[in-house]
Amino acid sequence: GDSVTQMEGPVTLSEEAFLTINCTYTATGYPSLFWYVQYPGEGLQLLLKATKADDKGSNKGFEATYRKETTSFHLEKGSVQVSDSAVYFCALNSGAGSYQLTFGKGTKLSVIP
Amino acid sequence: DVKVTQSSRYLVKRTGEKVFLECVQDMDHENMFWYRQDPGLGLRLIYFSYDVKMKEKGDIPEGYSVSREKKERFSLILESASTNQTSMYLCASSLIRDLNIQYFGAGTRLSVL
Repeated sequence: GDSVTQMEGPVTLSEEAFLTINCTYTATGYPSLFWYVQYPGEGLQLLLKATKADDKGSNKGFEATYRKETTSFHLEKGSVQVSDSAVYFCALNSGAGSYQLTFGKGTKLSVIP
Repeated sequence: DVKVTQSSRYLVKRTGEKVFLECVQDMDHENMFWYRQDPGLGLRLIYFSYDVKMKEKGDIPEGYSVSREKKERFSLILESASTNQTSMYLCASSLIRDLNIQYFGAGTRLSVL
């Protein structure tokens, strides 16, 4: 079945550091890929998405590129801020009429001043 | 602004009680979802509804049921709560034409004693 594997957290970075959160996936067909973010005390919200190979999703300074050859969708940001402290979830939908998002386990990011 | 409201942020119940978790969305979305979120396990889908009175089982429906009598409201029911149902429960909604963009409530943290 479909699965998403994220790097284990927690990740602690200093402000303005470079961020990478690794995400790899296993899926049948041609999945769409997503990053969701959960800020403290809030529900998840969509951060960015990519629907086909080589697409780059971007939002709020975050980027991720859909790499079919490595089945990866790593999240990157060049300079993190304290306000980026949150839990980040990689997710996929395998398409072909599937109604289900498959989520990774989440990676907690803490950014310190 | 998009809003998914879960009726309680925290609930404490006793083993064997019948528990209702309520979720309301104000976006006229067709799809609604219930997930549970556990440390190290990420989000797991319990049930999904794509229309009033329609439901589909997710990955972990055992011990749960749902009710959708009105489009805006989706209830999760624990018929006889057990301690292994202690968890964070998240409700989400989406448009039928774009189910991957899900809007989440802030969650209900349920403790079963």
